[in-house]
Amino acid sequence: TQLLEQSPQFLSIQEGENLTVYCNSSSVFSSLQWYRQEPGEGPVLLVTVVTGGEVKKLKRLTFQFGDARKDSSLHITAAQPGDTGLYLCAGYNNAGNMLTFGGGTRLMVKP
Amino acid sequence: EPEVTQTPSHQVTQMGQEVILRCVPISNHLYFYWYRQILGQKVEFLVSFYNNEISEKSEIFDDQFSVERPDGSNFTLKIRSTKLEDSAMYFCASIQTRSEQYFGPGTRLTVT
Repeated sequence: TQLLEQSPQFLSIQEGENLTVYCNSSSVFSSLQWYRQEPGEGPVLLVTVVTGGEVKKLKRLTFQFGDARKDSSLHITAAQPGDTGLYLCAGYNNAGNMLTFGGGTRLMVKP
Repeated sequence: EPEVTQTPSHQVTQMGQEVILRCVPISNHLYFYWYRQILGQKVEFLVSFYNNEISEKSEIFDDQFSVERPDGSNFTLKIRSTKLEDSAMYFCASIQTRSEQYFGPGTRLTVT
């Protein structure tokens, strides 16, 4: 069974601060995705990383896939209250037919 | 923009009753999934479906669960005899290729 551990589980910061969320596993994933989920809604895809060492940027968000494809990080620069939400990482198994989710990081950005 | 839709948004049922949760995936997508999320817990994979058959299922997806694509648009999850612990948000997702999954808004199932 593939597991993804996210840390921290909760993060409360002030507007303007930077933060990093980690997603770690002992398993290799063919690709890894980051989602954001609002209360009562389904996860919304932010980015997919496929290649070991890959870095993708989405405005103030920077996503990195570990060289061994076992871990990933999400870095937010100059966080804003609109970034508040639940961030989820999820990885595909090698067959590509099963997505395993991490437990999520609940971020609160205070104005 | 195309989206995955789910009905109903909220279903309340009594323990032991059968429920059918419905999903309309994005029209040109080929792979379909069901996930559940118990309140405060992580999103859990239930089953994936491709070419009219189950391609992968988790330990949660026992004999009480079944999936069906009865026509060209709907994708359903049936729970034959609901238990209290089946109370959760159930999300349907679909993809065209094996990368970006698009999730529906979910159905909140409450078993009393």
